[in-house]
Amino acid sequence: DAGVIQSPRHEVTEMGQEVTLRCKPISGHDYLFWYRQTMMRGLELLIYFNNNVPIDDSGMPEDRFSAKMPNASFSTLKIQPSEPRDSAVYFCASSFLGNTIYFGEGSWLTVV
Amino acid sequence: AQTVTQSQPEMSVQEAETVTLSCTYDTSESDYYLFWYKQPPSRQMILVIRQEAYKQQNATENRFSVNFQKAAKSFSLKISDSQLGDAAMYFCAYRSRLGDSNYQLIWGAGTKLIIKP
Repeated sequence: DAGVIQSPRHEVTEMGQEVTLRCKPISGHDYLFWYRQTMMRGLELLIYFNNNVPIDDSGMPEDRFSAKMPNASFSTLKIQPSEPRDSAVYFCASSFLGNTIYFGEGSWLTVV
Repeated sequence: AQTVTQSQPEMSVQEAETVTLSCTYDTSESDYYLFWYKQPPSRQMILVIRQEAYKQQNATENRFSVNFQKAAKSFSLKISDSQLGDAAMYFCAYRSRLGDSNYQLIWGAGTKLIIKP
């Protein structure tokens, strides 16, 4: 079975550019999570969705960050404009109800 | 609020030996999940093992097993016959099973496991 699929795996972009990260959750899962991982702050939950509806976005750092889930099989995390401090590994993860959360391979973002 | 504590920032073990990683947690809930995730240098977050709190039997996955002590709120991971590929950061995590919870994962700070050849 396919796991959580993220793209791109690696992205290098210039400060001020728009960045879009994409995620396809595991089929049948009704929860989708976006995490960010940095050396300084560890793993942070940015936002999560239940049945395509954003439930808690309190972890989204600034208005520059936005996330959407137009359907059960696709979600995006957008950063506009990007800044060097946004450089991190961004994980998408999904689960069915309160069961095990499965992670994608992550998107490495570098903003120069 | 729930918390998860991993008191060992780093552990090392000789290849083929056994190592135990510690994790303690704090919660007032009775029904929850506990997980160990592995993060190798590739940064992928890989589920190692899962324990449901209502199950008294300790979970086992091949060379990985846990010692779940619910009363003591302890959840250690034992890796037997350590292999070079086990080198990674290991994170302990808690997730509520309550119907009205937000189902977030509560993470420990992680333990870096070094395997000596």
